[in-house]
Amino acid sequence: DTAVSQTPKYLVTQMGNDKSIKCEQNLGHDTMYWYKQDSKKFLKIMFSYNNKELIINETVPNRFSPKSPDKAHLNLHINSLELGDSAVYFCASSQVFSPGNTIYFGEGSWLTVV
Amino acid sequence: AQKVTQAQTEISVVEKEDVTLDCVYETRDTTYYLFWYKQPPSGELVFLIRRNSFDEQNEISGRYSWNFQKSTSSFNFTITASQVVDSAVYFCALNAGGTSYGKLTFGQGTILTVHP
Repeated sequence: DTAVSQTPKYLVTQMGNDKSIKCEQNLGHDTMYWYKQDSKKFLKIMFSYNNKELIINETVPNRFSPKSPDKAHLNLHINSLELGDSAVYFCASSQVFSPGNTIYFGEGSWLTVV
Repeated sequence: AQKVTQAQTEISVVEKEDVTLDCVYETRDTTYYLFWYKQPPSGELVFLIRRNSFDEQNEISGRYSWNFQKSTSSFNFTITASQVVDSAVYFCALNAGGTSYGKLTFGQGTILTVHP
């Protein structure tokens, strides 16, 4: 079983649409994250949830809204998609929220906005 | 603020060569953690190693070894006898305290291509 799984893996959609990416972890971790990888491969954190509570909210347009129904799930909803939102979105998790904890990543979701 | 620099954008080697990927970091925290991740062509991010700032012992795992030197703020990664399957993008990352608490700061990545 994949430890951190996210769906869909590939998503092609038109500008202006609303889309969601789902993420689930079966590691029993308390903390989950969304990271974004741009076209130059640069990785940056977007959000983090600890036990369903939002604890990190980087400078991200409010068109991006994370939701954590329980600590094993963290979904990412994006409204009014723009061309610049095209990227790879990685879900991740760690046992607890601590710099020393290893963060494990999912396989990524490739979003292309046309 | 914390920063990670991987000065080598791309490295190309022939199979069986040894290759070292450089990583230099900046942080004001005395307690911090360094990581290496691998992103193969299939795209996933694979955790390779974690090292804390109090443990400067080098580590070896098979063909992989890591050299952590606080004096030069470096955490370099060496692959011995490289193989085609080692071709990937390798990321060095830092996690520390302060305003960056809990946030992995990644370097720009080094694209390693191993030719047969």
